[in-house]
Amino acid sequence: GAVVSQHPSRVICKSGTSVKIECRSLDFQATTMFWYRQFPKQSLMLMATSNEGSKATYEQGVEKDKFLINHASLTLSTLTVTSAHPEDSSFYICSASRGGHFTEQYFGPGTRLTVT
Amino acid sequence: KNEVEQSPQNLTAQEGEFITINCSYSVGISALHWLQQHPGGGIVSLFMLSSGKKKHGRLIATINIQEKHSSLHITASHPRDSAVYICAVEGETSGSRLTFGEGTQLTVNP
Repeated sequence: GAVVSQHPSRVICKSGTSVKIECRSLDFQATTMFWYRQFPKQSLMLMATSNEGSKATYEQGVEKDKFLINHASLTLSTLTVTSAHPEDSSFYICSASRGGHFTEQYFGPGTRLTVT
Repeated sequence: KNEVEQSPQNLTAQEGEFITINCSYSVGISALHWLQQHPGGGIVSLFMLSSGKKKHGRLIATINIQEKHSSLHITASHPRDSAVYICAVEGETSGSRLTFGEGTQLTVNP
């Protein structure tokens, strides 16, 4: 099956610093990658959709200057949380698909971000 | 009202019981996904369907497009099935973006 990795799995950073999270599709080419965040006991919330080689599409209410997304290749997308604050502490999950309708999404294992 | 609603929110069962989790949605869809999230956070895609029924091992997923309803069944449940089960839909006009239900926390006791 298709495998998606995320790095790091856990990160603790100080308020005001930036953190980069990587999402990689290991054995397939991901035309589209999605970034989600999940608060405790809540479901996933889509933050943005990124297509390889083009700018990400952000969901309403998500600050694009704060959550920088880069999808530079068909196997790698990165999410950078800039000037992190404690309220950015959350579980961030990416998923990858080959693109188009009715295609499977393969989820990464997630990254637990704690901002102190 | 959420676009995707699941029931029940929490479900506790004894090992061996037959389990049903329901999902109702209010928009036109191109596909419905059932996902499983384990305590560590990792998410596994169980099914993706647009009509009828699919079976994989002890898991069965059905969908009724006219009624905008899907069910996930687990036969002969086992403690290792304990997880959060999430229903997500791909809207007809939303590309491949998913809208998620709140999830169902399933606990299967030995």
